[in-house]
Amino acid sequence: AQKVTQAQTEISVVEKEDVTLDCVYETRDTTYYLFWYKQPPSGELVFLIRRNSFDEQNEISGRYSWNFQKSTSSFNFTITASQVVDSAVYFCALNGGGTSYGKLTFGQGTILTVHP
Amino acid sequence: EAQVTQNPRYLITVTGKKLTVTCSQNMNHEYMSWYRQDPGLGLRQIYYSMNVEVTDKGDVPEGYKVSRKEKRNFPLILESPSPNQTSLYFCASSFTTGGENEQYFGPGTRLTVT
Repeated sequence: AQKVTQAQTEISVVEKEDVTLDCVYETRDTTYYLFWYKQPPSGELVFLIRRNSFDEQNEISGRYSWNFQKSTSSFNFTITASQVVDSAVYFCALNGGGTSYGKLTFGQGTILTVHP
Repeated sequence: EAQVTQNPRYLITVTGKKLTVTCSQNMNHEYMSWYRQDPGLGLRQIYYSMNVEVTDKGDVPEGYKVSRKEKRNFPLILESPSPNQTSLYFCASSFTTGGENEQYFGPGTRLTVT
């Protein structure tokens, strides 16, 4: 069975602070894919990143960065110099390859509030 | 424009009154699925379809039906809605089931059952 855990239910920061959202996953698949999605107050799901299990390189995209550590089964997401527009619910998700038949297993989500 | 559309976007209904939420994609994707989102639980898969006439249960299928008569459409049917089906519903599609393919999500349907 696959599982994704986002231990932080809610995080509150002040603008310009850095913030890290934690994600820990469980899977028996050797090939799998990890995702982060953003859900702004308007409700849609915005795709942020996909990482496959064979690529442990960290990635940076503007103020966003992701740290994938297979040894600890973690795929953490850091926002540098946070802004009010970053306020949203963030989901980490796992696609376990062939055995999951395309299903994304989502974490519970982390509500991020950035105060001006 | 590549997209997944859902209708209606908002729906308030009463217990027991059958309803259908439509989902359509214009990308010729084989794979489609439905998720429900509830606070503290994230998104959970209800049903999925790997192609026309091929559907299967996800993690929370009770109380729902689906059909896939055409490749582009994947409606979600609640034959006798109950208050515990009050939720935010998302339809998603992708080219295949492989995780290397991006899943496109619809805008969501907020359902309230009273």
